[in-house]
Amino acid sequence: DAKTTQPPSMDCAEGRAANLPCNHSTISGNEYVYWYRQIHSQGPQYIIHGLKNNETNEMASLIITEDRKSSTLILPHATLRDTAVYYCIVRPRLNSGNTPLVFGKGTRLSVIA
Amino acid sequence: DAGVIQSPRHEVTEMGQEVTLRCKPISGHDYLFWYRQTMMRGLELLIYFNNNVPIDDSGMPEDRFSAKMPNASFSTLKIQPSEPRDSAVYFCASSPEPGADTQYFGPGTRLTVL
Repeated sequence: DAKTTQPPSMDCAEGRAANLPCNHSTISGNEYVYWYRQIHSQGPQYIIHGLKNNETNEMASLIITEDRKSSTLILPHATLRDTAVYYCIVRPRLNSGNTPLVFGKGTRLSVIA
Repeated sequence: DAGVIQSPRHEVTEMGQEVTLRCKPISGHDYLFWYRQTMMRGLELLIYFNNNVPIDDSGMPEDRFSAKMPNASFSTLKIQPSEPRDSAVYFCASSPEPGADTQYFGPGTRLTVL
């Protein structure tokens, strides 16, 4: 079962920042927070991940609270192409192996012109 | 690289028929995952391989489902016999190495069983 809780849907005006929250209160010390998104009729796409520090890449920023029980994905300037279902996933990162992704229901983000 | 390739993209078949879905992972990737997506159950893992060896098949629904990876560049997911409840989108994903953070998903195969 997914260890995360996300709101089922959110709207965001085009050009504004989209802030997508995620609760993961039972996260373990060796588990990372990953974000993927799925645009309609496509496979999921990796966005970003983090352990405890804030992270930023060309797609988004990830803010993780100090207690690691929640996080927020930030799309700084949302465009219509960012309309998708966003999944927050908690997963151990093993140097000796690789683990599947456990998807929850995600948040359906609608970017509105 | 062309990314993960899946075929066919769409498959419509009748109940009782055999269905074979195919996946070509990204070259050099050690891990291959099969996921299924339905409205009711969302995205769920079926099976995954490491270096062509099945590691976890606990998500395979029943004996009607089987998956193989005869070599590093090809995997199949077979359903025999198919049933209407198998209708779903089946995704294949690959990942480069132990500890890798990213799984790369294919475009999926939309299966409809009538």
